[in-house]
Amino acid sequence: GAVVSQHPSRVICKSGTSVKIECRSLDFQATTMFWYRQFPKQSLMLMATSNEGSKATYEQGVEKDKFLINHASLTLSTLTVTSAHPEDSSFYICSASTSWNEQFFGPGTRLTVL
Amino acid sequence: QQQVKQSPQSLIVQKGGISIINCAYENTAFDYFPWYQQFPGKGPALLIAIRPDVSEKKEGRFTISFNKSAKQFSLHIMDSQPGDSATYFCAAAPFGNEKLTFGTGTRLTIIP
Repeated sequence: GAVVSQHPSRVICKSGTSVKIECRSLDFQATTMFWYRQFPKQSLMLMATSNEGSKATYEQGVEKDKFLINHASLTLSTLTVTSAHPEDSSFYICSASTSWNEQFFGPGTRLTVL
Repeated sequence: QQQVKQSPQSLIVQKGGISIINCAYENTAFDYFPWYQQFPGKGPALLIAIRPDVSEKKEGRFTISFNKSAKQFSLHIMDSQPGDSATYFCAAAPFGNEKLTFGTGTRLTIIP
């Protein structure tokens, strides 16, 4: 299957700082990437859909000014959690969609905000 | 109508047995049904997927059964192994739309 990487895998930050998470499709070009959030023992919650060269589409209830998404190229999307607070601590996972509409997921980023 | 209902929430199966996880949906626009396997602390990995033009798809020990009239699909894991212990998610997406709707997940434990 197609490979998607995420960086960093873990990040610990102080409250009020911003954190950037990168998502890369390593062996294919992805017009569309997705960002999810997952709480312990729960399903994946879609936060936003990221399209290369255009603004992201956010799901209802997700603050676009807090979770900034940039999809600068066909292989890279970034999620920036601005002014992070302890309630933003979670497992953030990206996925990238292939030309045949299959989604492949990254390994996830564990964010802990102190 | 966007929901995908998954059951059971947790499942314990003996090694060598068959694990069966079920999902049901309401949205008739769904036409792509993947299953994902997730280990703790890792991202989900695509296991197998099916489209409504077939009623069954098999890849190794994993089989999807699809019942279009009942709007149900299931994952069967034959000869279950301890390494299969993970959380499994079903999902669905409409034609031409990549946005997946996920089930709530099933935590599968294979015991010796």
